[in-house]
Amino acid sequence: DSGVTQTPKHLITATGQRVTLRCSPRSGDLSVYWYQQSLDQGLQFLIQYYNGEERAKGNILERFSAQQFPDLHSELNLSSLELGDSALYFCASSPRGEGNYGYTFGSGTRLTVV
Amino acid sequence: EDQVTQSPEALRLQEGESSSLNCSYTVSGLRGLFWYRQDPGKGPEFLFTLYSAGEEKEKERLKATLTKKESFLHITAPKPEDSATYLCAVQAPTGNQFYFGTGTSLTVIP
Repeated sequence: DSGVTQTPKHLITATGQRVTLRCSPRSGDLSVYWYQQSLDQGLQFLIQYYNGEERAKGNILERFSAQQFPDLHSELNLSSLELGDSALYFCASSPRGEGNYGYTFGSGTRLTVV
Repeated sequence: EDQVTQSPEALRLQEGESSSLNCSYTVSGLRGLFWYRQDPGKGPEFLFTLYSAGEEKEKERLKATLTKKESFLHITAPKPEDSATYLCAVQAPTGNQFYFGTGTSLTVIP
């Protein structure tokens, strides 16, 4: 157990729907990062939050949004889902605003859009 | 454009047969190069960080090295439990973002 908790582990939904993925960072970590992993593209950075504030943005679609709450857990919201959004979504955390010592990853949420 | 390329995509080794995985990168202002191990259905697990050319890190049968343009992950006398996907990532100059390669899938046959 890495200390980063992601729920749910699996999610199957239809095109056009909206889902919310949840992440609880490792105890004491202030930063949360979201990554998308698909078979052909590897891990793609989506967004980072640090202590409740958006810190960095990557290749995140406008249909996707995220937030970090006062208790530091984070949610990734995916809307108007398309078949191509099927992927593994990973959350990672680090103690501070920069991942200088690497991240700690959760086990991921496997999203299947049908 | 910043890019990380890993080779080979897949590697099959007999138990005890040493080999190396390659990670080449084109990132300006590299802050760090990271190696992760990923088992099926799990999140990547941190292995090493390298910060400057010439640096080496070791952990059990794994040894990571770094030059100005690439990194190698050497696997000495691998065992079946070393079977996994090995990911390389470089830290962007801002420090916030990592660029990941697509990984090398390693299979070690008993």
